[in-house]
Amino acid sequence: SQQGEEDPQALSIQEGENATMNCSYKTSINNLQWYRQNSGRGLVHLILIRSNEREKHSGRLRVTLDTSKKSSSLLITASRAADTASYFCATNSGRNTPLVFGKGTRLSVIA
Amino acid sequence: DTGVSQDPRHKITKRGQNVTFRCDPISEHNRLYWYRQTLGQGPEFLTYFQNEAQLEKSRLLSDRFSAERPKGSFSTLEIQRTEQGDSAMYLCASSLETRWTQYFGPGTRLLVL
Repeated sequence: SQQGEEDPQALSIQEGENATMNCSYKTSINNLQWYRQNSGRGLVHLILIRSNEREKHSGRLRVTLDTSKKSSSLLITASRAADTASYFCATNSGRNTPLVFGKGTRLSVIA
Repeated sequence: DTGVSQDPRHKITKRGQNVTFRCDPISEHNRLYWYRQTLGQGPEFLTYFQNEAQLEKSRLLSDRFSAERPKGSFSTLEIQRTEQGDSAMYLCASSLETRWTQYFGPGTRLLVL
């Protein structure tokens, strides 16, 4: 079963614009991670935020986490055509529990 | 290339046939995971190993699915008597036991005719 639900399911923006994707989850977590998947390829880890953190930055990525609302957002600033991919949030409840992925947001960045 | 590799990348088989996929993790990673991903969905966890021990296998989809990691290095995922519903991307990932981040391979895309 999938815990996370990303919103929107699909997003289309112009190059240079910012892209925001949201993720909601159902149970308590230890951390939340965001992964990117280019079409038909494996997943690439982008960023991890722990349950006691509220915001984290990595390059053009900004992630927020609100554990009271069981939600997270991923912001990609100054988007590029190469950012076109599917983005998944994944939650982890403990060291010996599996990652649980959402259904993903398909981002299209138009040059 | 020292990333996770999977073989084959693509497999077409007829219903009822057995298939086996291989995953080679990053060499120092003692944890290895298998996921299945269907079109438009996120990866769904199947099973994982710590070294050669299979720590969780209750999520395997049916008794037709089995996985091994005999020497704690590469792993194989076998599907017996394939069905059309088994058509999916099968992803392998590895990690260190002490780290949360998983590193994914390119996947094996299975099509059952």
